[in-house]
Amino acid sequence: AQKVTQAQTEISVVEKEDVTLDCVYETRDTTYYLFWYKQPPSGELVFLIRRNSFDEQNEISGRYSWNFQKSTSSFNFTITASQVVDSAVYFCALSGTYSGAGSYQLTFGKGTKLSVIP
Amino acid sequence: ETGVTQTPRHLVMGMTNKKSLKCEQHLGHNAMYWYKQSAKKPLELMFVYSLEERVENNSVPSRFSPECPNSSHLFLHLHTLQPEDSALYLCASSQDIGRWATYEQYFGPGTRLTVT
Repeated sequence: AQKVTQAQTEISVVEKEDVTLDCVYETRDTTYYLFWYKQPPSGELVFLIRRNSFDEQNEISGRYSWNFQKSTSSFNFTITASQVVDSAVYFCALSGTYSGAGSYQLTFGKGTKLSVIP
Repeated sequence: ETGVTQTPRHLVMGMTNKKSLKCEQHLGHNAMYWYKQSAKKPLELMFVYSLEERVENNSVPSRFSPECPNSSHLFLHLHTLQPEDSALYLCASSQDIGRWATYEQYFGPGTRLTVT
């Protein structure tokens, strides 16, 4: 079975600090996809990034960056110079053939609640 | 309207009531999903539809009944619910279901359901 662990339940940082959200995954697949989603207080999950298992190149998008390391089964997410608008719950998710009941299911972590204090 | 919309945003119902949740996607996607998000559990996938055909049902109790009349609309019909069914119900869509859930999903704001 697949598993996604987000060990940090809640994190608080002061505005402009950098913060890294950890994601560790387990899978038997050799081909899989990893995702990050943001859930602001309004409720909807917002897609941030998708990465396939063959692409270990790190990615940067503005203040966001992602570090994918297959050797440690981690897909960590860093926000540089955090802002109050970054306050949200962040979910890491994994897809693959062993997701669960069917092939169409993402395995989500329990989420990390980030609070950015002004 | 853009993206994925859900109505109502909040719903309070008794255990003997019948109600329906509505989801509409304006993205031209072929796949739609219902998720349940409760306080103490990770996001749980309930149903998946691809081109109006149900392709996955994750052992959801029969008191939840989905309906997908076309690729833009998805309903979740509720009847004789239990208090433990109180949760945020999220609808999502994706371009396709793909293989191994490879397509990113776009979510609506959810319906906050309280069963009394």
